[in-house]
Amino acid sequence: GAVVSQHPSRVICKSGTSVKIECRSLDFQATTMFWYRQFPKQSLMLMATSNEGSKATYEQGVEKDKFLINHASLTLSTLTVTSAHPEDSSFYICSARDLSTVLVGSSNYGYTFGSGTRLTVV
Amino acid sequence: QQQVKQSPQSLIVQKGGIPIINCAYENTAFDYFPWYQQFPGKGPALLIAIRPDVSEKKEGRFTISFNKSAKQFSLHIMDSQPGDSATYFCAASLYSWGKLQFGAGTQVVVTP
Repeated sequence: GAVVSQHPSRVICKSGTSVKIECRSLDFQATTMFWYRQFPKQSLMLMATSNEGSKATYEQGVEKDKFLINHASLTLSTLTVTSAHPEDSSFYICSARDLSTVLVGSSNYGYTFGSGTRLTVV
Repeated sequence: QQQVKQSPQSLIVQKGGIPIINCAYENTAFDYFPWYQQFPGKGPALLIAIRPDVSEKKEGRFTISFNKSAKQFSLHIMDSQPGDSATYFCAASLYSWGKLQFGAGTQVVVTP
């Protein structure tokens, strides 16, 4: 089945520094990737949607200059948290869509999630 | 504004019991309704999903019931096991290719 690899799984950084999180689709081409943020005991909050070769579309309230998303290839998307602050500490999760698994009438629309990255800013 | 409302927030059942989680939606254009299971520190994993032309779907011990007229769908976990203890999220997607709208999540605890 489709596998999405997310790296690193945990990262601790100092306030003011930048952190990059990678999301790779290992065995399929992901034309669309989604980035989510999740606080403890809360649901997933969509931050942005990225299509390969295009600028990401950010959700309302998400600072695009702070959360830089690059989707330069069909298998790799990156999220860079710039000038991180303690309030950016959270669990970040990527999701990729595998179009090849989508069949007419199927109940699988091909959303596959990464294992998440726990970011702690100190 | 949450487009998918999920309840209960948490529930505890004994091993062998049947936890039931309910979700309701407003947008009749939604046409994809998945359920995800998430363990602490991990990303969500797809459990089972349904389209609006089907009223029930079973995969192993997991069953989705879908009521299109009531705009509700639910997850039943048959013969629940302690290993099923996790947070479950319902979701819905618009026009097949749209963004997933997640419910608030339900923390399920299955006691031995």
